[in-house]
Amino acid sequence: AQTVTQSQPEMSVQEAETVTLSCTYDTSESDYYLFWYKQPPSRQMILVIRQEAYKQQNATENRFSVNFQKAAKSFSLKISDSQLGDAAMYFCAYRSANNDMRFGAGTRLTVKP
Amino acid sequence: KAGVTQTPRYLIKTRGQQVTLSCSPISGHRSVSWYQQTPGQGLQFLFEYFSETQRNKGNFPGRFSGRQFSNSRSEMNVSTLELGDSALYLCASSSSALQAEAFFGQGTRLTVV
Repeated sequence: AQTVTQSQPEMSVQEAETVTLSCTYDTSESDYYLFWYKQPPSRQMILVIRQEAYKQQNATENRFSVNFQKAAKSFSLKISDSQLGDAAMYFCAYRSANNDMRFGAGTRLTVKP
Repeated sequence: KAGVTQTPRYLIKTRGQQVTLSCSPISGHRSVSWYQQTPGQGLQFLFEYFSETQRNKGNFPGRFSGRQFSNSRSEMNVSTLELGDSALYLCASSSSALQAEAFFGQGTRLTVV
């Protein structure tokens, strides 16, 4: 079974600084997608960024980028120029060809002004 | 287009009772997944339905069941409620494409007393 591990239950960052959230996963499949989701205190989960396993180039969405290391099965999220609105729970997720999406336990990010 | 709608938003039940939660996916989405979110366990996958068939199932007891209707709306039922079932239950819908993101509802907060 696929598992997703987020080893940092909590992280904090100073406003305008950069923070990296870690995620590792375990799979024997070759075709899959990886996602980072953000859950603000309002509870609505929203997509931050996604990465296809076949693409070596790391995905980037404005201030959010990933460091995808396929051989190491690592998928970390880097948030640059952190803003107060980035404070939320962040979940790493894995989706395979059978469309079963699995999530990590989450990392709570605090942004200090 | 309308997002994922979950009803009710809040629910208080007594131990031993049963409960039914509802999820209306985004129009055109045929995949609906359910997750249980608790502070200690993060997001736990319950099951996924696609075209009225349960396609995947997480590691939950048989008291947790679900179904999907021809219009893709899904219901989740929990029988013989236990205190430990208190959680936020999230529903997510997506298209069948591997790269498709999951869109989440705001969840149903279930409290068992």
